Amino acid sequence: DTGVSQDPRHKITKRGQNVTFRCDPISEHNRLYWYRQTLGQGPEFLTYFQNEAQLEKSRLLSDRFSAERPKGSFSTLEIQRTEQGDSAMYLCASSFGRGGTDTQYFGPGTRLTVL
Amino acid sequence: AQSVTQLDSQVPVFEEAPVELRCNYSSSVSVYLFWYVQYPNQGLQLLLKYLSGSTLVKGINGFEAEFNKSQTSFHLRKPSVHISDTAEYFCAVSLGRYGGSQGNLIFGKGTKLSVKP
Repeated sequence: DTGVSQDPRHKITKRGQNVTFRCDPISEHNRLYWYRQTLGQGPEFLTYFQNEAQLEKSRLLSDRFSAERPKGSFSTLEIQRTEQGDSAMYLCASSFGRGGTDTQYFGPGTRLTVL
Repeated sequence: AQSVTQLDSQVPVFEEAPVELRCNYSSSVSVYLFWYVQYPNQGLQLLLKYLSGSTLVKGINGFEAEFNKSQTSFHLRKPSVHISDTAEYFCAVSLGRYGGSQGNLIFGKGTKLSVKP
């Protein structure tokens, strides 16, 4: 068990560029979550996968955001046409179970800075 | 809508003193409750969780929390803190499957615990 990993750890981009983040969950975890954390706030839910199916999206996830989890393994989160308001820490978490009571294991996050 | 309120954004305390970090939640349905800790440059780590049963929950590193349904609170306590407890602590709720959610967590804004020698 190597834990949840995220890549890259830091990303600096210019406004209008596209960025993609990767999350590798703990192996055999069927559930994968993406959260966003801005300065002074707690993490906010973005989207959730059960295996390869994306089952829930927050209203925070605008049309510029897309997430995938091919084959129910790693996941990617892409932001198109980045805006300065997208600057945040993007957190990935995984768990095993049916939801609600599961312990979610978090990765170290990807810090995005949009100039 | 469900929400979590952490009443203190910062809590300074001296080493070996007791500490209580407060958390209140608002929900029209039953919830599951969690406390996570975030050390600098590290991911969130689960301290403890309340699912059902005994309202006093013990977690890692000597922390415990008490669920109070009537006051909708889930305060975190430690009888004697160490310098190494300096971190940010987050309270969170999950509605679970019967609350119309798929288990995503709703977090408070966090409390920064600063332990001084």
